[in-house]
Amino acid sequence: AQSVTQPDIHITVSEGASLELRCNYSYGATPYLFWYVQSPGQGLQLLLKYFSGDTLVQGIKGFEAEFKRSQSSFNLRKPSVHWSDAAEYFCAVGPSAGGSYIPTFGRGTSLIVHP
Amino acid sequence: DTGVSQNPRHKITKRGQNVTFRCDPISEHNRLYWYRQTLGQGPEFLTYFQNEAQLEKSRLLSDRFSAERPKGSFSTLEIQRTEQGDSAMYLCASSRRNTEAFFGQGTRLTVV
Repeated sequence: AQSVTQPDIHITVSEGASLELRCNYSYGATPYLFWYVQSPGQGLQLLLKYFSGDTLVQGIKGFEAEFKRSQSSFNLRKPSVHWSDAAEYFCAVGPSAGGSYIPTFGRGTSLIVHP
Repeated sequence: DTGVSQNPRHKITKRGQNVTFRCDPISEHNRLYWYRQTLGQGPEFLTYFQNEAQLEKSRLLSDRFSAERPKGSFSTLEIQRTEQGDSAMYLCASSRRNTEAFFGQGTRLTVV
Protein backbone atom coordinates (compact mmCIF):
# COMPACT_ATOMS: atom_id res chain seq x y z
CA ALA A 1 0.00 0.00 0.00
CA GLN A 2 1.17 3.48 -0.73
CA SER A 3 2.02 5.82 2.13
CA VAL A 4 3.59 9.19 2.81
CA THR A 5 5.66 10.25 5.80
CA GLN A 6 6.26 13.84 6.76
CA PRO A 7 8.64 13.53 9.71
CA ASP A 8 8.38 17.14 10.90
CA ILE A 9 5.11 18.16 12.54
CA HIS A 10 6.21 21.77 12.99
CA ILE A 11 8.95 23.83 11.36
CA THR A 12 9.86 27.34 12.53
CA VAL A 13 11.88 29.68 10.34
CA SER A 14 12.66 33.36 10.29
CA GLU A 15 11.33 35.49 7.48
CA GLY A 16 13.90 35.59 4.69
CA ALA A 17 15.50 32.29 5.68
CA SER A 18 15.54 29.24 3.47
CA LEU A 19 13.12 26.36 3.95
CA GLU A 20 13.12 22.63 3.38
CA LEU A 21 10.16 20.40 4.25
CA ARG A 22 10.76 16.68 4.16
CA CYS A 23 8.60 14.03 2.52
CA ASN A 24 9.25 10.30 2.15
CA TYR A 25 6.94 7.98 0.28
CA SER A 26 6.31 4.30 -0.14
CA TYR A 27 4.94 3.26 -3.51
CA GLY A 28 5.22 0.13 -5.61
CA ALA A 29 5.31 1.81 -9.02
CA THR A 30 6.63 5.04 -10.47
CA PRO A 31 5.02 7.63 -8.22
CA TYR A 32 3.14 10.75 -9.04
CA LEU A 33 4.02 13.21 -6.28
CA PHE A 34 2.42 16.42 -5.12
CA TRP A 35 2.77 19.20 -2.57
CA TYR A 36 -0.29 21.07 -1.40
CA VAL A 37 -0.66 24.06 0.95
CA GLN A 38 -3.60 24.73 3.27
CA SER A 39 -4.41 27.94 5.09
CA PRO A 40 -6.58 27.73 8.22
CA GLY A 41 -10.17 26.78 7.46
CA GLN A 42 -9.50 26.46 3.75
CA GLY A 43 -9.16 23.70 1.21
CA LEU A 44 -5.89 22.47 -0.27
CA GLN A 45 -4.10 24.36 -3.02
CA LEU A 46 -1.67 22.59 -5.32
CA LEU A 47 1.88 23.99 -5.12
CA LEU A 48 3.63 21.66 -7.55
CA LYS A 49 3.58 18.17 -9.03
CA TYR A 50 5.98 15.54 -10.35
CA PHE A 51 4.90 13.03 -12.97
CA SER A 52 8.10 12.23 -14.86
CA GLY A 53 11.14 13.83 -16.46
CA ASP A 54 13.23 16.49 -14.74
CA THR A 55 13.50 15.57 -11.08
CA LEU A 56 13.59 19.22 -9.98
CA VAL A 57 10.15 20.74 -10.38
CA GLN A 58 9.12 24.34 -10.00
CA GLY A 59 5.83 25.40 -8.51
CA ILE A 60 3.87 28.46 -7.58
CA LYS A 61 4.88 31.04 -4.98
CA GLY A 62 8.59 30.38 -5.52
CA PHE A 63 8.54 26.78 -4.27
CA GLU A 64 10.46 23.90 -5.80
CA ALA A 65 10.80 20.20 -5.00
CA GLU A 66 13.29 17.52 -5.93
CA PHE A 67 12.39 13.89 -6.55
CA LYS A 68 15.08 11.44 -5.40
CA ARG A 69 14.13 7.89 -6.25
CA SER A 70 17.08 6.38 -4.38
CA GLN A 71 15.93 8.04 -1.16
CA SER A 72 12.17 7.77 -1.84
CA SER A 73 11.97 11.46 -1.09
CA PHE A 74 10.27 14.53 -2.52
CA ASN A 75 11.39 17.45 -0.38
CA LEU A 76 9.94 20.92 -0.77
CA ARG A 77 12.24 23.95 -0.76
CA LYS A 78 12.07 27.71 -0.90
CA PRO A 79 15.14 29.97 -0.86
CA SER A 80 13.56 32.86 1.07
CA VAL A 81 10.42 32.48 3.16
CA HIS A 82 7.79 35.22 3.43
CA TRP A 83 5.45 35.69 6.40
CA SER A 84 2.52 34.79 4.12
CA ASP A 85 3.98 31.30 3.65
CA ALA A 86 2.88 30.34 7.16
CA ALA A 87 0.43 27.47 6.59
CA GLU A 88 0.08 23.69 6.66
CA TYR A 89 1.92 21.78 3.94
CA PHE A 90 0.94 18.34 2.72
CA CYS A 91 2.85 15.90 0.57
CA ALA A 92 0.82 13.38 -1.43
CA VAL A 93 1.43 10.37 -3.68
CA GLY A 94 -0.79 9.12 -6.51
CA PRO A 95 -2.90 8.64 -8.47
CA SER A 96 -0.97 7.17 -11.34
CA ALA A 97 -1.31 4.70 -14.15
CA GLY A 98 -0.56 1.22 -12.87
CA GLY A 99 -0.99 2.26 -9.29
CA SER A 100 -3.68 3.35 -6.90
CA TYR A 101 -6.26 5.81 -8.12
CA ILE A 102 -6.43 7.37 -4.67
CA PRO A 103 -4.17 10.28 -3.67
CA THR A 104 -2.68 9.51 -0.26
CA PHE A 105 -1.56 12.33 2.00
CA GLY A 106 0.96 12.73 4.76
CA ARG A 107 -0.07 14.16 8.11
CA GLY A 108 1.29 17.57 7.18
CA THR A 109 3.96 19.99 8.39
CA SER A 110 2.94 23.24 10.03
CA LEU A 111 5.19 26.12 8.97
CA ILE A 112 5.63 28.96 11.44
CA VAL A 113 7.36 32.10 10.21
CA HIS A 114 8.97 34.51 12.69
CA PRO A 115 9.40 38.15 11.67
CA ASP B 1 -13.08 26.62 -14.78
CA THR B 2 -14.85 27.74 -11.61
CA GLY B 3 -13.16 25.27 -9.30
CA VAL B 4 -14.63 22.69 -6.96
CA SER B 5 -17.56 24.02 -4.98
CA GLN B 6 -18.75 22.63 -1.65
CA ASN B 7 -21.90 23.50 0.27
CA PRO B 8 -22.48 24.32 2.99
CA ARG B 9 -19.17 25.71 4.24
CA HIS B 10 -20.17 25.17 7.84
CA LYS B 11 -22.73 22.90 9.46
CA ILE B 12 -23.60 22.62 13.14
CA THR B 13 -25.91 19.77 14.03
CA LYS B 14 -27.15 17.97 17.10
CA ARG B 15 -26.00 14.45 17.78
CA GLY B 16 -28.30 11.94 16.16
CA GLN B 17 -29.38 14.19 13.30
CA ASN B 18 -28.71 13.47 9.64
CA VAL B 19 -26.63 15.83 7.51
CA THR B 20 -25.95 16.04 3.78
CA PHE B 21 -23.11 17.82 2.02
CA ARG B 22 -22.89 18.68 -1.64
CA CYS B 23 -19.87 18.85 -3.94
CA ASP B 24 -19.85 20.28 -7.46
CA PRO B 25 -16.63 19.20 -9.20
CA ILE B 26 -14.82 20.95 -12.03
CA SER B 27 -16.80 20.25 -15.15
CA GLU B 28 -15.53 17.32 -17.22
CA HIS B 29 -13.55 15.90 -14.30
CA ASN B 30 -14.57 12.27 -14.25
CA ARG B 31 -12.99 11.44 -10.89
CA LEU B 32 -14.36 12.67 -7.58
CA TYR B 33 -13.00 12.02 -4.10
CA TRP B 34 -14.26 12.62 -0.58
CA TYR B 35 -11.82 13.05 2.28
CA ARG B 36 -12.17 13.72 5.99
CA GLN B 37 -9.68 15.89 7.84
CA THR B 38 -9.44 16.26 11.60
CA LEU B 39 -7.35 18.82 13.44
CA GLY B 40 -3.64 18.32 12.98
CA GLN B 41 -4.03 15.51 10.46
CA GLY B 42 -3.82 15.14 6.73
CA PRO B 43 -6.84 14.35 4.59
CA GLU B 44 -8.05 10.76 5.06
CA PHE B 45 -9.66 9.05 2.09
CA LEU B 46 -13.35 8.21 2.37
CA THR B 47 -14.62 7.30 -1.08
CA TYR B 48 -13.94 7.63 -4.80
CA PHE B 49 -16.15 7.91 -7.87
CA GLN B 50 -15.27 7.50 -11.50
CA ASN B 51 -18.17 9.09 -13.33
CA GLU B 52 -21.27 7.82 -11.52
CA ALA B 53 -19.69 4.60 -10.26
CA GLN B 54 -18.49 4.43 -6.66
CA LEU B 55 -15.35 2.36 -7.11
CA GLU B 56 -13.75 2.40 -3.69
CA LYS B 57 -14.73 3.03 -0.09
CA SER B 58 -12.52 3.36 2.94
CA ARG B 59 -13.00 1.42 6.16
CA LEU B 60 -13.58 4.85 7.70
CA LEU B 61 -16.88 4.99 5.82
CA SER B 62 -19.19 3.25 8.30
CA ASP B 63 -22.71 2.20 7.37
CA ARG B 64 -23.92 5.58 8.64
CA PHE B 65 -22.16 7.22 5.70
CA SER B 66 -23.42 7.13 2.13
CA ALA B 67 -22.27 8.93 -0.98
CA GLU B 68 -23.78 9.31 -4.40
CA ARG B 69 -22.86 10.86 -7.70
CA PRO B 70 -25.92 10.72 -9.92
CA LYS B 71 -25.22 11.10 -13.62
CA GLY B 72 -21.54 11.58 -12.88
CA SER B 73 -21.94 15.26 -12.03
CA PHE B 74 -22.31 16.61 -8.49
CA SER B 75 -21.92 14.38 -5.48
CA THR B 76 -23.56 14.21 -2.06
CA LEU B 77 -22.21 12.79 1.18
CA GLU B 78 -24.78 11.93 3.82
CA ILE B 79 -24.09 11.08 7.43
CA GLN B 80 -26.95 9.50 9.36
CA ARG B 81 -27.31 9.57 13.14
CA THR B 82 -24.32 11.87 13.57
CA GLU B 83 -21.92 11.32 16.45
CA GLN B 84 -19.48 13.75 18.06
CA GLY B 85 -16.64 11.81 16.48
CA ASP B 86 -17.96 12.84 13.06
CA SER B 87 -16.92 16.44 13.73
CA ALA B 88 -14.32 17.22 11.07
CA MET B 89 -13.66 19.02 7.83
CA TYR B 90 -15.07 17.13 4.85
CA LEU B 91 -13.16 17.80 1.66
CA CYS B 92 -14.15 17.05 -1.90
CA ALA B 93 -11.71 16.89 -4.79
CA SER B 94 -11.96 16.17 -8.48
CA SER B 95 -9.53 15.29 -11.22
CA ARG B 96 -9.15 14.08 -14.77
CA ARG B 97 -7.64 10.66 -15.32
CA ASN B 98 -4.21 10.33 -13.64
CA THR B 99 -3.68 14.02 -12.99
CA GLU B 100 -3.62 16.22 -9.92
CA ALA B 101 -6.69 16.55 -7.72
CA PHE B 102 -8.28 19.94 -7.19
CA PHE B 103 -9.91 20.56 -3.83
CA GLY B 104 -12.93 22.50 -2.71
CA GLN B 105 -12.97 24.75 0.35
CA GLY B 106 -14.44 22.01 2.48
CA THR B 107 -17.45 21.68 4.77
CA ARG B 108 -16.75 22.06 8.48
CA LEU B 109 -19.08 19.81 10.48
CA THR B 110 -19.58 20.34 14.21
CA VAL B 111 -21.72 17.83 16.09
CA VAL B 112 -22.95 19.11 19.46
